[in-house]
Amino acid sequence: AQTVTQSQPEMSVQEAETVTLSCTYDTSESDYYLFWYKQPPSRQMILVIRQEAYKQQNATENRFSVNFQKAAKSFSLKISDSQLGDAAMYFCAYRTSSTQGGSEKLVFGKGTKLTVNP
Amino acid sequence: NAGVTQTPKFRILKIGQSMTLQCTQDMNHNYMYWYRQDPGMGLKLIYYSVGAGITDKGEVPNGYNVSRSTTEDFPLRLELAAPSQTSVYFCASSPPGSNEKLFFGSGTQLSVL
Repeated sequence: AQTVTQSQPEMSVQEAETVTLSCTYDTSESDYYLFWYKQPPSRQMILVIRQEAYKQQNATENRFSVNFQKAAKSFSLKISDSQLGDAAMYFCAYRTSSTQGGSEKLVFGKGTKLTVNP
Repeated sequence: NAGVTQTPKFRILKIGQSMTLQCTQDMNHNYMYWYRQDPGMGLKLIYYSVGAGITDKGEVPNGYNVSRSTTEDFPLRLELAAPSQTSVYFCASSPPGSNEKLFFGSGTQLSVL
């Protein structure tokens, strides 16, 4: 079974600075997708960014980018120019590709709580 | 657009009681999921469904049951509630396609006392 590990229970960053959240995963599959979700205090789950395993180019969405290292099974999230609104729980997630014949379930890590200091 | 709607938002149960958490989506999504989130933890998959009439167990199915008689609805049934089922429950849906994001409901806070 696939597992997702987020080794940083909590992180903090100064407003306008850059922070990187770590995520590693364990899988024997070659084709899959990786996601970062944000959960603010409102509890709503918000997709931040996604990455296809077959793409070598790292995904970018405005101030959010990933460092995807397939061989190392690492998928870190970089937040640039941090804003107060970025404060939230961040979850890394893994999803099997339909090409693998799996169920396409989404498996989550335990999350990293990000605090942004003014 | 309503998206994914969960009811109720909050509920307190006594040990041994039963209840159904309702989930409905209006996006015609094939895939639907139930997750639970314990304090300080990630989301754990309880049950999921890839279409009407098809359901399957996730990581933590014990103590729960589901049904999927229509595309829109995916209720989660708790039988004989236990304190260990105190959690926040999220329903989610997505269209087919592994790169598709999940659309989440706003969650149900359940306490079993």
